Amino acid sequence: AQSVTQPDIHITVSEGASLELRCNYSYGATPYLFWYVQSPGQGLQLLLKYFSGDTLVQGIKGFEAEFKRSQSSFNLRKPSVHWSDAAEYFCAVAQGGYNKLIFGAGTRLAVHP
Amino acid sequence: DGGITQSPKYLFRKEGQNVTLSCEQNLNHDAMYWYRQDPGQGLRLIYYSQIVNDFQKGDIAEGYSVSREKKESFPLTVTSAQKNPTAFYLCASSIDVAGWQYNEQFFGPGTRLTVL
Repeated sequence: AQSVTQPDIHITVSEGASLELRCNYSYGATPYLFWYVQSPGQGLQLLLKYFSGDTLVQGIKGFEAEFKRSQSSFNLRKPSVHWSDAAEYFCAVAQGGYNKLIFGAGTRLAVHP
Repeated sequence: DGGITQSPKYLFRKEGQNVTLSCEQNLNHDAMYWYRQDPGQGLRLIYYSQIVNDFQKGDIAEGYSVSREKKESFPLTVTSAQKNPTAFYLCASSIDVAGWQYNEQFFGPGTRLTVL
């Protein structure tokens, strides 16, 4: 069965520091991968997605992610974090046939000034 | 402005009562979804609907019911059979289920349900 693991429940970084959020997936075929961001009490916003092609994908708000098939990973990165990036981040994989998304448990990001 | 609306934002109910959460979209999307979010567990799919008058159970459908009488609307009823209904509920929609290039799901702002 498909699954998504986000190993880090909480991460704290200083403003201006670089960020990497980890995501590992389990999926037999070529995965369709997503990163979403959720501000407290709000819905989810899509940051970026990977379907095929270039394994380094660019998203909104200065985020990027790299798909590594050999490691079954799709880590999210940002070179310089802003205080407004504090939120919860979810990695997801699409299950074929019914547009079903399988979500990881999320990583909560705190940003220190 | 196009988008997804969910109402109410906060909802309280007494144990044993049914309650219906509203989800409306004006994006002309075919597919709609209901997710439940609990702390530390991410989002889990309750029900989804690909077209009007059709819907399928997701991973945690027990204690919930839905209807899809109109393309724009996909209400979720939390019944008294749901043993632990306190959670954050998110509705989403997407253009086309079969076309992977249109796979993006757009999410509403959510409804927080608390059972007293």
